[in-house]
Amino acid sequence: NAGVTQTPKFQVLKTGQSMTLQCAQDMNHNSMYWYRQDPGMGLRLIYYSASEGTTDKGEVPNGYNVSRLNKREFSLRLESAAPSQTSVYFCASSEGGTGLSPLHFGNGTRLTVT
Amino acid sequence: AQRVTQPEKLLSVFKGAPVELKCNYSYSGSPELFWYVQYSRQRLQLLLRHISRESIKGFTADLNKGETSFHLKKPFAQEEDSAMYYCALTKGNKLVFGAGTILRVKS
Repeated sequence: NAGVTQTPKFQVLKTGQSMTLQCAQDMNHNSMYWYRQDPGMGLRLIYYSASEGTTDKGEVPNGYNVSRLNKREFSLRLESAAPSQTSVYFCASSEGGTGLSPLHFGNGTRLTVT
Repeated sequence: AQRVTQPEKLLSVFKGAPVELKCNYSYSGSPELFWYVQYSRQRLQLLLRHISRESIKGFTADLNKGETSFHLKKPFAQEEDSAMYYCALTKGNKLVFGAGTILRVKS
């Protein structure tokens, strides 16, 4: 039981390049989330998917797209990377809404955009 | 707008000293609040939630609606408590996190 698995762990991009961060969970959770972690800013929600087939914007969605491929997988895409997107990205999942169900986090992806 | 404020970026205490990590929130309604913790080289994980009124690893947190606070407390800090602590607030189907406080427990 791996929980939430993110790939890759590290990535360096040049400005303008694109990439997709992958996330998969094996806990049969309904909801999945993408956060970014920046010093002094805490974790900010980029996008979330309350259930399979739905996605919604979070606090900082600009420059990102997501796909809820199936119940297990939720990917985050940067179409044209910018230095401001240098961050640590965390995927998380929860059984239901965040009010009652704790979030289970992945190990994170450290992204540097030069 | 719902917001969580953790005023201290870093809190440094000696082993055996009391710890209080501050969290203030703004929310129109009945909030649901949580503390998450990230130990070195480990995943971010739930520490405790106010609805459970539980004590985890000696930590407790009381919701004070009058002062809009949810401070995390422990009477005697241990070195293994050193970590990043995040206070979080439920907003619909989402969690809003504070900026986090690094707790360093010195021997």
